[in-house]
Amino acid sequence: EAGVAQSPRYKIIEKRQSVAFWCNPISGHATLYWYQQILGQGPKLLIQFQNNGVVDDSQLPKDRFSAERLKGVDSTLKIQPAKLEDSAVYLCASSFQQGDTGELFFGEGSRLTVL
Amino acid sequence: ILNVEQSPQSLHVQEGDSTNFTCSFPSSNFYALHWYRWETAKSPEALFVMTLNGDEKKKGRISATLNTKEGYSYLYIKGSQPEDSATYLCASYRPGNTPLVFGKGTRLSVIA
Repeated sequence: EAGVAQSPRYKIIEKRQSVAFWCNPISGHATLYWYQQILGQGPKLLIQFQNNGVVDDSQLPKDRFSAERLKGVDSTLKIQPAKLEDSAVYLCASSFQQGDTGELFFGEGSRLTVL
Repeated sequence: ILNVEQSPQSLHVQEGDSTNFTCSFPSSNFYALHWYRWETAKSPEALFVMTLNGDEKKKGRISATLNTKEGYSYLYIKGSQPEDSATYLCASYRPGNTPLVFGKGTRLSVIA
């Protein structure tokens, strides 16, 4: 079974530029999550989708971050314009449904450096 | 809001040493606790999902215990190897539309 795919793996941009990350979850997984992990911190949820609807985006900085999952499969996370403090690993995860125990399956992450 | 704490933040051990670290979480309305291992440049990998007070789970040289009444879990690694070097994350889960809430992790370095 193919895992969660993310791209690009690494991205370096200058502040005020824009960047987009892509995620393809495990086939059949209805729920998709984007987490932000800043160095020295634990992963923090940015947005959670159930199929193509947003369940929770309370911690997404909506003035600069946007995410979509138009067909309920792939998802894109965009940052525009980027700030220095956006340097982080952006992890995509998926789960079959809400699930009994909440287990998530993660991609390898997209590491963003903002100069 | 769940608050999950992990200690220590980082740990350096010699190859062959045994080690352990702690995850603490709110004991009220507990449902499940997850441990993940996250090696550099790889995806976080689920180690254990623990739900019952007194639970003890084992995978090879790694084991974990759970105390839901006092709100803590220990992760043990016996005879550490360089390949155990990783960040170990714990996360608390409550059912409903809430996702996993992670601690900051413990970064383990095993020196050969």
